[in-house]
Amino acid sequence: DADVTQTPRNRITKTGKRIMLECSQTKGHDRMYWYRQDPGLGLRLIYYSFDVKDINKGEISDGYSVSRQAQAKFSLSLESAIPNQTALYFCATSDSGQGADTQYFGPGTRLTVL
Amino acid sequence: SQQGEEDPQALSIQEGENATMNCSYKTSINNLQWYRQNSGRGLVHLILIRSNEREKHSGRLRVTLDTSKKSSSLLITASRAADTASYFCATESQGAQKLVFGQGTRLTINP
Repeated sequence: DADVTQTPRNRITKTGKRIMLECSQTKGHDRMYWYRQDPGLGLRLIYYSFDVKDINKGEISDGYSVSRQAQAKFSLSLESAIPNQTALYFCATSDSGQGADTQYFGPGTRLTVL
Repeated sequence: SQQGEEDPQALSIQEGENATMNCSYKTSINNLQWYRQNSGRGLVHLILIRSNEREKHSGRLRVTLDTSKKSSSLLITASRAADTASYFCATESQGAQKLVFGQGTRLTINP
């Protein structure tokens, strides 16, 4: 079984709809991240969480919100989706005890907003 | 804004040749990491080099780091078709506790 899972893997929605992307991990890591990737670009950080009570904005948090329901679960919400949020979304985890922020990625969610 | 700038943006070579990708960054770092992404899939960690290291090897991968020039290179020797992927550098800046990714190099290995 995959250590970091994301649901759904693909989603097509319409402008204005509320969307939730979910991430679960079995690695026991305390840190979790949400990124988006656009064609030809690297990953841009949306939100990150260093533990259940810690939520931090990343580079591009506008239009997004997150919830860390448990150490193993970190969800990303688009309250009112817009077409320029069409992208590939990745969840990642890392272990603060490793001394370096090596991250482990989920398989991604391809989101299309029409 | 992105910390790492990668060069070239795309690279196409013949199987068996060596592939070299470069990454430049702007601020002082704790470490620099390289990741691979197969088309549309999640990134996979390849190798980490700390700021006090100059060179590191892992199988067919060789990474160098020059902190005076704020640059790193990834060398893949004896390339294989399975090495076809995008490669990203990511930097962990001092005090940041998170990674900033470059835009990536798309590597194509031709059989």
